[in-house]
Amino acid sequence: AQSVTQLDSQVPVFEEAPVELRCNYSSSVSVYLFWYVQYPNQGLQLLLKYLSGSTLVESINGFEAEFNKSQTSFHLRKPSVHISDTAEYFCAVSRSGGYNKLIFGAGTRLAVHP
Amino acid sequence: NAGVTQTPKFRVLKTGQSMTLLCAQDMNHEYMYWYRQDPGMGLRLIHYSVGEGTTAKGEVPDGYNVSRLKKQNFLLGLESAAPSQTSVYFCASTSGGSNQPQHFGDGTRLSIL
Repeated sequence: AQSVTQLDSQVPVFEEAPVELRCNYSSSVSVYLFWYVQYPNQGLQLLLKYLSGSTLVESINGFEAEFNKSQTSFHLRKPSVHISDTAEYFCAVSRSGGYNKLIFGAGTRLAVHP
Repeated sequence: NAGVTQTPKFRVLKTGQSMTLLCAQDMNHEYMYWYRQDPGMGLRLIHYSVGEGTTAKGEVPDGYNVSRLKKQNFLLGLESAAPSQTSVYFCASTSGGSNQPQHFGDGTRLSIL
């Protein structure tokens, strides 16, 4: 079975500061890794994913995440956040070759202050 | 393109009442899912379907039933609502394969009094 731990439930940060949202996973089989973002009163949207290849993946809005197999981590980073990045962020895994069943972490609420 | 549409968006029920949540997707996706979202617990899978006419249990299926009579629709039923089922429910769909992202609806906020 797989599990996902997001180490911070809330992360407050000032605008233009860097941020890191931490995610660790546990699995005995190969997995794919995802970060989803949820803006207030909306559904989840895919932010970025790691399937294979380069361990550093990037999104179109400046976020990046690095897959670290030895530490079983997939931390999300952004060098300079904006007010509009305020949202809840979910890390998720799915078993490679399975029925695309996502296992989610509990979420990290990012609050960007002016 | 509507994507994944959930109806209703809000509903208040009394304990013991029944209701059905509807999810419709217009992307011709094979796989559909129902999740519930509770504070501090992320999203948990209730039931899912890998094709028309098929359903399977997820992590928290008790108290819920589902049906997938048409490929584009996935219904979630509560036969006898309980306060513990107060939650935000999300439907998602994907074309298949565990490397494909899931597409989510905007959710149904359900309160059971």
